[in-house]
Amino acid sequence: EPEVTQTPSHQVTQMGQEVILRCVPISNHLYFYWYRQILGQKVEFLVSFYNNEISEKSEIFDDQFSVERPDGSNFTLKIRSTKLEDSAMYFCARLPLNYNEQFFGPGTRLTVL
Amino acid sequence: DQQVKQNSPSLSVQEGRISILNCDYTNSMFDYFLWYKKYPAEGPTFLISISSIKDKNEDGRFTVFLNKSAKHLSLHIVPSQPGDSAVYFCAASGVGGAQKLVFGQGTRLTINP
Repeated sequence: EPEVTQTPSHQVTQMGQEVILRCVPISNHLYFYWYRQILGQKVEFLVSFYNNEISEKSEIFDDQFSVERPDGSNFTLKIRSTKLEDSAMYFCARLPLNYNEQFFGPGTRLTVL
Repeated sequence: DQQVKQNSPSLSVQEGRISILNCDYTNSMFDYFLWYKKYPAEGPTFLISISSIKDKNEDGRFTVFLNKSAKHLSLHIVPSQPGDSAVYFCAASGVGGAQKLVFGQGTRLTINP
C-alpha cells in the first residue's frame, strides 16, 4: 500500500493563529485530497488537488483555507485564522496511479483553543 | 447532507461469527463504493471496494455486496476476529476514479471473544 506521512501529528494553536499542516507522499501521485473529521462526526471532504491546481472544493473550504505543493513533494493545507470549530483530525489522502482507491495518511489532530 | 448513511452506530458480534455492516445511499450518480476501517488516532485504512457494474466483490474474509436498485451495500466479515474491532466507514464516489469520497457516519464493530 502506498505510504504517506503527515506532520505534525498534533497541533495546538490559539484561535486566530495560522496553521500549516503537511502531507508527504512517498511516491509520486497526481491526485491529493484533504479531509477532516470533527470528533464524533463523519469524515468530510475539503478539497482535491490535481496537477498543482484545486480540482474541487467543498463548502467548508472557504477563504480561510488554502492548499499548495510548494516544493513538488510536500502537500500543505493552510488555515489562515483558526476558529474553535476548526478543531478536528485532518487527513491527507492520495490516489496513486493505476488505483481506484484513495489511501489516507495517519492524520493531524488540530486543537484550537 | 446525508447521501451516505450507516444507520447502525455500533454492532457487537461473537468471535468466529459473521459480521454484517450495512450502508445506504441516495445519490444514483455514485459509481464506486468503498469500505474503510479506522482505529482510534489513525487514518482510515482501505479495506475493499466495488464498482457499480458488479454486485459482489470478495477478498479473503471480506465480501461486499451491492444492490443498486435498493441503493444498498453491505460488508460481510466471516469469520470475525478480535482484530476486526474498529470503526467501519462506507464511502461512495461519482464516475471517474478521482472523485471525492462521501462518507457515512461509521459503525463501531466490537468482536467479543
